[in-house]
Amino acid sequence: DTAVSQTPKYLVTQMGNDKSIKCEQNLGHDTMYWYKQDSKKFLKIMFSYNNKELIINETVPNRFSPKSPDKAHLNLHINSLELGDSAVYFCASSQDYTGELFFGEGSRLTVL
Amino acid sequence: QQQVKQSPQSLIVQKGGIPIINCAYENTAFDYFPWYQQFPGKGPALLIAIRPDVSEKKEGRFTISFNKSAKQFSLHIMDSQPGDSATYFCAASIMDSNYQLIWGAGTKLIIKP
Repeated sequence: DTAVSQTPKYLVTQMGNDKSIKCEQNLGHDTMYWYKQDSKKFLKIMFSYNNKELIINETVPNRFSPKSPDKAHLNLHINSLELGDSAVYFCASSQDYTGELFFGEGSRLTVL
Repeated sequence: QQQVKQSPQSLIVQKGGIPIINCAYENTAFDYFPWYQQFPGKGPALLIAIRPDVSEKKEGRFTISFNKSAKQFSLHIMDSQPGDSATYFCAASIMDSNYQLIWGAGTKLIIKP
């Protein structure tokens, strides 16, 4: 049973399109995150939700909008995709803000 | 002051050697220092973590050394194997507070057979 699952694993799309990535965790954790990993492997936190409430909202273009329908799900919607959005997006969860993070396998987004 | 500086960026070691990855921080309030391991195509996974009340922690072949006065910590991998080839990230945070992890830039480690 996958602890943190995200779909789709791969997205290839044209500039200007809108796309969504879904994430679900079955660990019963209270906190979920979206991270962006660029081609140099640098991990950048984008958003953090605790019990469906937005806690961390780093400097991310407002084309990125997270949505948490319940504490087990955190989705990421991206509008008007740009070339620079190409990256691997990771969903993660933890029991508290600074405990062990459990990551999904990532969603590789390629914008053409 | 929120940065965690990780070095080297990449490292190639022969099988059986002891790769060492170093991290340095400025914020003396940090009190939790984890290392994450990431294999290609996978998400990072917690490998080992240390609190500043100890100077060393071992889990199997992996050891964290912690130097509080120098504000540095490092990961050593004993008897390294090709299967240890991965990207390693150090991080730091303040436990028991609403304080996110601050990540190092990562080290790509290759263990040659």
